Amino acid sequence: SQKIEQNSEALNIQEGKTATLTCNYTNYSPAYLQWYRQDPGRGPVFLLLIRENEKEKRKERLKVTFDTTLKQSLFHITASQPADSATYLCALFDTDKLIFGTGTRLQVFP
Amino acid sequence: DTAVSQTPKYLVTQMGNDKSIKCEQNLGHDTMYWYKQDSKKFLKIMFSYNNKELIINETVPNRFSPKSPDKAHLNLHINSLELGDSAVYFCASSQEGLGNGYNEQFFGPGTRLTVL
Repeated sequence: SQKIEQNSEALNIQEGKTATLTCNYTNYSPAYLQWYRQDPGRGPVFLLLIRENEKEKRKERLKVTFDTTLKQSLFHITASQPADSATYLCALFDTDKLIFGTGTRLQVFP
Repeated sequence: DTAVSQTPKYLVTQMGNDKSIKCEQNLGHDTMYWYKQDSKKFLKIMFSYNNKELIINETVPNRFSPKSPDKAHLNLHINSLELGDSAVYFCASSQEGLGNGYNEQFFGPGTRLTVL
């Protein structure tokens, strides 16, 4: 079955910089890959979905890439703000269910 | 207007007790899920229902019994609670039946269960 790896260490960056989070998977490339944001004490919130035939997807300050050769997705937040501080989860469909990575905590400091 | 709601938000109980968590979605979705998020923040699916029918049961102990009285509700009953059941439980829903992961999932606020 698929395994998803996200950097478990927190990512600390300064406001205004670009944050880049990594999601690696181990087996076959899924048709779709999703990214979610989770704030402390809350449920995950969907951010973006990217198809395997899309190299890149953008939404406002967010950009997601999908490299099926590397089996990797990168999630970028440009011009980061303290309000972007949260845990970001990637998820992909495996057989019959969505499986999630453990997430990477992003901390944006002023 | 809350899309996916869960009650209670917090649940503290003794080992051996039986407890229930309720979930409701007002999005008109066909599929609902229960996830467990442990202390390491790993989010793992437990059950999935599509139009009141159980679709996924992820090797969860049979002390956990989901029930879907209708498409908008999915409750979780847990018998004989154990210390290891302590976690945050999330309910979620999505637009269509299980397919290929195209549709986003909408999560509830979570229920933090603490078993003493």
